[in-house]
Amino acid sequence: KQEVTQIPAALSVPEGENLVLNCSFTDSAIYNLQWFRQDPGKGLTSLLLIQSSQREQTSGRLNASLDKSSGRSTLYIAASQPGDSATYLCAVGSNSGYALNFGKGTSLLVTP
Amino acid sequence: NAGVTQTPKFRILKIGQSMTLQCAQDMNHNYMYWYRQDPGMGLKLIYYSVGAGITDKGEVPNGYNVSRSTTEDFPLRLELAAPSQTSVYFCASRDPGQGATEAFFGQGTRLTVV
Repeated sequence: KQEVTQIPAALSVPEGENLVLNCSFTDSAIYNLQWFRQDPGKGLTSLLLIQSSQREQTSGRLNASLDKSSGRSTLYIAASQPGDSATYLCAVGSNSGYALNFGKGTSLLVTP
Repeated sequence: NAGVTQTPKFRILKIGQSMTLQCAQDMNHNYMYWYRQDPGMGLKLIYYSVGAGITDKGEVPNGYNVSRSTTEDFPLRLELAAPSQTSVYFCASRDPGQGATEAFFGQGTRLTVV
């Protein structure tokens, strides 16, 4: 069974800092990895999708990398802003199943 | 473009009551999913479907049922609601036809069983 772990569970940084969120998974046989953002009481917003054949994806101030062999992905947020405050979820699609397996998320607070 | 639509957004049930959570998608996706999210926990898969007429259990299916009569709709049925089913429920869909594609989520249904 695919296990997905996100570290840290919570993070507080001052505005303007660059930061890295980590995601690790136990089974490297994956078809993709997706990073989501979740605001309190809201649904999931897809941020970045990395196919298994890709090493990274970028969108604006966000950059996600994937190292399948080591079972790791990182989400890099540049020049953080208070509006980035949310929970970030990592989800892995494994070759052994049809659905995404989720980590518990990293709760990010960016202070002005 | 509506994407994935869930209704209702909020609901309070009494123990033993039943209800159906509705989910509809307009992207012609074959794969649809139901997840539940409890505080401090990741999303757990309840049921999924790979096409009309085909459903299968996920990690936490007990107390729930699903059906998939059309590509667009994937309702989740709760029979004999219990306090342990208090949670936020998310429906999702994706299209496997083009390879490993992005999953889209609805806004969630917040259910409280009292």
